[in-house]
Amino acid sequence: EAQVTQNPRYLITVTGKKLTVTCSQNMNHEYMSWYRQDPGLGLRQIYYSMNVEVTDKGDVPEGYKVSRKEKRNFPLILESPSPNQTSLYFCASSYSGGASNQPQHFGDGTRLSIL
Amino acid sequence: QKEVEQNSGPLSVPEGAIASLNCTYSDRGSQSFFWYRQYSGKSPELIMSIYSNGDKEDGRFTAQLNKASQYVSLLIRDSQPSDSATYLCAVKASGGGADGLTFGKGTHLIIQP
Repeated sequence: EAQVTQNPRYLITVTGKKLTVTCSQNMNHEYMSWYRQDPGLGLRQIYYSMNVEVTDKGDVPEGYKVSRKEKRNFPLILESPSPNQTSLYFCASSYSGGASNQPQHFGDGTRLSIL
Repeated sequence: QKEVEQNSGPLSVPEGAIASLNCTYSDRGSQSFFWYRQYSGKSPELIMSIYSNGDKEDGRFTAQLNKASQYVSLLIRDSQPSDSATYLCAVKASGGGADGLTFGKGTHLIIQP
């Protein structure tokens, strides 16, 4: 089954404790992206990757890091989480980011709470 | 700054009626347009895509695009209670760019039994 898998689905942690949210897709997609979704603000892009070893900032990259060492995986890293990073996070992928007609497929989301 | 505007709602529609959802966008270079449905706490699910002016029908759903007016809409015929969700309009710029989708904030649709 074609899917984007995120882990964990839920996480409650404390300020400053490094955490990683994993994202894996089994569709051989080149393009992967991270979004956060907040009430009243909608979905905002954090980082994206056009292919292996190619990553770039989205609209709200501050406080986040990503890596793309393998095509299927695109982890989101919070080196020193803060309460304003409490949010619902989605990973998404598409066949090609450069081709405009490729829709993105979303993972089930990770609800992150930073205390 | 690329913007995608949607009326947040809630939009309340009787069961069996036509629900009409609207979206405007600011970037004239936009080429691809998507409608996603999102149930509360769940991930966005693609329901329609449209790339050229006019109408595109898929079952009970019809997407309409007018690039001159920078306007895209989604019609849901024979609305069902299960259609109650937030509908996100997403726009992508012309091919070759590395940009992701720009999302509207969504319209909350309520289908009243």
